[in-house]
Amino acid sequence: DSGVTQTPKHLITATGQRVTLRCSPRSGDLSVYWYQQSLDQGLQFLIQYYNGEERAKGNILERFSAQQFPDLHSELNLSSLELGDSALYFCASSVGGGVTNTEAFFGQGTRLTVV
Amino acid sequence: GENVEQHPSTLSVQEGDSAVIKCTYSDSASNYFPWYKQELGKRPQLIIDIRSNVGEKKDQRIAVTLNKTAKHFSLHITETQPEDSAVYFCAASIRGGSQGNLIFGKGTKLSVKP
Repeated sequence: DSGVTQTPKHLITATGQRVTLRCSPRSGDLSVYWYQQSLDQGLQFLIQYYNGEERAKGNILERFSAQQFPDLHSELNLSSLELGDSALYFCASSVGGGVTNTEAFFGQGTRLTVV
Repeated sequence: GENVEQHPSTLSVQEGDSAVIKCTYSDSASNYFPWYKQELGKRPQLIIDIRSNVGEKKDQRIAVTLNKTAKHFSLHITETQPEDSAVYFCAASIRGGSQGNLIFGKGTKLSVKP
């Protein structure tokens, strides 16, 4: 167990809908990272938050948004869902503001299926 | 943009043989290179990492080498075992915001045949 908790584990929804994925980082970790893993694209970095503020953005669609709350948990909101959004979404956390100094620990992921 | 290329995409070896996975990166400012192992249906787990001030690092049967000049790094697994079968991802740190994040390769599916 990495200490990073993601809910729900599985999510099935219809196209056009909106979903929220939740991540609780390890105790003491200030950074949260979101990654999307699809079969042919590997792990794609979406966005990072550090202590409540957006720190870095990757290949995140405009239909997607995220935030980190005062208690450091984070939510990834996916809207106007398309079939191609079906993927495994991972959250990772680390102590510092970046991964160059501290290891990033991954949660178990949320498998999103859009039908 | 910055990217990490990983080869091969699939690798099949006999138990006891060695396996080598290679990655190249584009960001000359990258200074941290972790390797993650992901078993089917599970989360990626860090197995070894190397920083740019070191050329080689070893941990039991696993070793990683880094060539900063050529911007490539490799994972070496010796005496492979069936439980080494998994997808392996290399990654390189990039400058995102002010602290840096990771860009991952597309993964190598390693199969170790008993």
